[in-house]
Amino acid sequence: RKEVEQDPGPFNVPEGATVAFNCTYSNSASQSFFWYRQDCRKEPKLLMSVYSSGNEDGRFTAQLNRASQYISLLIRDSKLSDSATYLCVVNNNYGQNFVFGPGTRLSVLP
Amino acid sequence: DAGVIQSPRHEVTEMGQEVTLRCKPISGHNSLFWYRQTMMRGLELLIYFNNNVPIDDSGMPEDRFSAKMPNASFSTLKIQPSEPRDSAVYFCASSERGGDYNEQFFGPGTRLTVL
Repeated sequence: RKEVEQDPGPFNVPEGATVAFNCTYSNSASQSFFWYRQDCRKEPKLLMSVYSSGNEDGRFTAQLNRASQYISLLIRDSKLSDSATYLCVVNNNYGQNFVFGPGTRLSVLP
Repeated sequence: DAGVIQSPRHEVTEMGQEVTLRCKPISGHNSLFWYRQTMMRGLELLIYFNNNVPIDDSGMPEDRFSAKMPNASFSTLKIQPSEPRDSAVYFCASSERGGDYNEQFFGPGTRLTVL
C-alpha cells in the first residue's frame, strides 16, 4: 500500500461547480499535512496547509480527520484557472520528510 | 527574492555520460531537498540536507547518484553513469528548518532526457 493515496483522476467539471478531492495516508504518526498545486510542466506550489480544526481560504476548504487518516480539499465555484494537478502531502518528520501523493488532475471546462 | 534557482533547465545526454544538476536555494533557508518526478512514480524525495549536512539519502536510487552541498547557497546532484531510466524532471526545494508547517519552495526543475 502506498503511504499517501489520492482519488484517481482526471476530474472534469464545468465552471462554477463544486469539486472535492480525497486523500488517505498510512502513517498514523504523521504530523502535518498540505495540499500543493502543480500546473502542467511547472513546479509544485503550496496551496494550503491542513490543520486539525479544518481551514478555509476563499473558495478552498481543507479538512483533516486524524482518526480515519483522511484529508480532503473542497473547491467551490471552480474557475478555469483551477485546472491543475492537486498533490496531497504528508509530513512525517518535523518538516523534513514530505511524502507526496500521486496527485489528482482537475480540468475545469468552460 | 529570486526563488530557488536550478540549472540547467533542460539536459539531453547519452547513456553512460555524467550529468550534474545544480541548485541555489533561497537565501536564509536551512533545508534543501532533491526530488525526482516521473509519470510512473510521481514525486519522490531523493535526499535532503539540513545546514549543508545530508540527513536522509534513503531515496537515492543507487550508487550512480550522489549529492553534495558544499555551502549554504549551492548544491549538486550528480548521476554517473546516466541511464535511460534516469529520464525525469528533477526538482530542488528549500525551506526554513524547524516547525511542522514550513513551506517547501520548489525550483523550476531540470528536465533530464537520457538517450
